[in-house]
Amino acid sequence: DTAVSQTPKYLVTQMGNDKSIKCEQNLGHDTMYWYKQDSKKFLKIMFSYNNKELIINETVPNRFSPKSPDKAHLNLHINSLELGDSAVYFCASSQDQRQGLSDTQYFGPGTRLTVL
Amino acid sequence: GDSVTQMEGPVTLSEEAFLTINCTYTATGYPSLFWYVQYPGEGLQLLLKATKADDKGSNKGFEATYRKETTSFHLEKGSVQVSDSAVYFCALRPRSNTGNQFYFGTGTSLTVIP
Repeated sequence: DTAVSQTPKYLVTQMGNDKSIKCEQNLGHDTMYWYKQDSKKFLKIMFSYNNKELIINETVPNRFSPKSPDKAHLNLHINSLELGDSAVYFCASSQDQRQGLSDTQYFGPGTRLTVL
Repeated sequence: GDSVTQMEGPVTLSEEAFLTINCTYTATGYPSLFWYVQYPGEGLQLLLKATKADDKGSNKGFEATYRKETTSFHLEKGSVQVSDSAVYFCALRPRSNTGNQFYFGTGTSLTVIP
């Protein structure tokens, strides 16, 4: 069973379009994350989210918005796509540290977004 | 603030060579420390971790020891294989009542040649 899954794996789209990437975890975790990885493999946190709080990296444009229909899902919606948004986007999940449980973060396989 | 600094790559080694990838951290208290590995075209996978000072994490022949006195968590392997070619990330998770944040290093690309 896949622990953290993302769809689609590849996404090619035109500038100005709006797109979404879906993420699901079946680990029962409380906290989910979105990361952006650039061509140099640098990993940048975009959001972390649990039921109670959304923490946004202040450098993330407001064209990016996380949407969580329930605890097991955190989708990433991107408006008005730009060339610089091209990257690999990773979803991840972990237990809420405040519960004192496992503190490991688990990653999805990534979504390669190409904006033309 | 909390941060991780790791050795810049790329690193190229011959098969069976000894590997060290340096990682140092800045954090208050006693964070948990991790090494993640990313194989080509895949997501990050946990390689090993340590949760307190002097702990040694190990997996697949890789080891790293949590050194509080030097604030380091260097990754080592005695004899690398071609299949170890990947990008390696050092990471920390602070111990706090509020944080669910992870801090990653910039990644070190390793290529092992036959």
